Amino acid sequence: NAGVTQTPKFRVLKTGQSMTLLCAQDMNHEYMYWYRQDPGMGLRLIHYSVGEGTTAKGEVPDGYNVSRLKKQNFLLGLESAAPSQTSVYFCASIPRQGGITGELPGELFFGEGSRLTVL
Amino acid sequence: GQSLEQPSEVTAVEGAIVQINCTYQTSGFYGLSWYQQHDGGAPTFLSYNALDGLEETGRFSSFLSRSDSYGYLLLQELQMKDSASYFCAVRANGGATNKLIFGTGTLLAVQP
Repeated sequence: NAGVTQTPKFRVLKTGQSMTLLCAQDMNHEYMYWYRQDPGMGLRLIHYSVGEGTTAKGEVPDGYNVSRLKKQNFLLGLESAAPSQTSVYFCASIPRQGGITGELPGELFFGEGSRLTVL
Repeated sequence: GQSLEQPSEVTAVEGAIVQINCTYQTSGFYGLSWYQQHDGGAPTFLSYNALDGLEETGRFSSFLSRSDSYGYLLLQELQMKDSASYFCAVRANGGATNKLIFGTGTLLAVQP
């Protein structure tokens, strides 16, 4: 059982380049989230999804797009990377509250993170 | 909007007890969670409170007062390995969807 897997784990981009981060979970969780973490800023929510085919904006959505075409995958795209997007990106998932999987409703399952540097 | 406040840094000695506070403002409150993060690693879940009161899990306890929009994480018998960042997080319902918003984190330094 792999849990939540993020790819790639490291990436260096030049300003203006585009890229996609992939998050895959094998726990059949309904909700998935993308966060970025910068020093002293904690975890800030970029976008999230409450189910296949649905996405919503979080706290800091500008410059990012997301898609949830399959329940197990949540993609985060940077159309034109900027140095301000240098960060560590974390994906997380959680079952629907009151679901049958047994996890506590407050327990987010995180991936290992993806370190992105934009030059 | 939603916001959470917690102290930026706390220092304590090995074997002591430390309390990390968290105050929040949110709508449609479901519960308060706590996460631990060691440098460079993924956050890991510690505890969750949906109702008022104290939840105990080994050396860690978490408390919630919904009327005061306040909670805390209590760490007992501190060990060096407890040196990490601790985040409170609110699961709130904004517009029939579930957002999980995190505080800025508290860096705990445990000294010998």
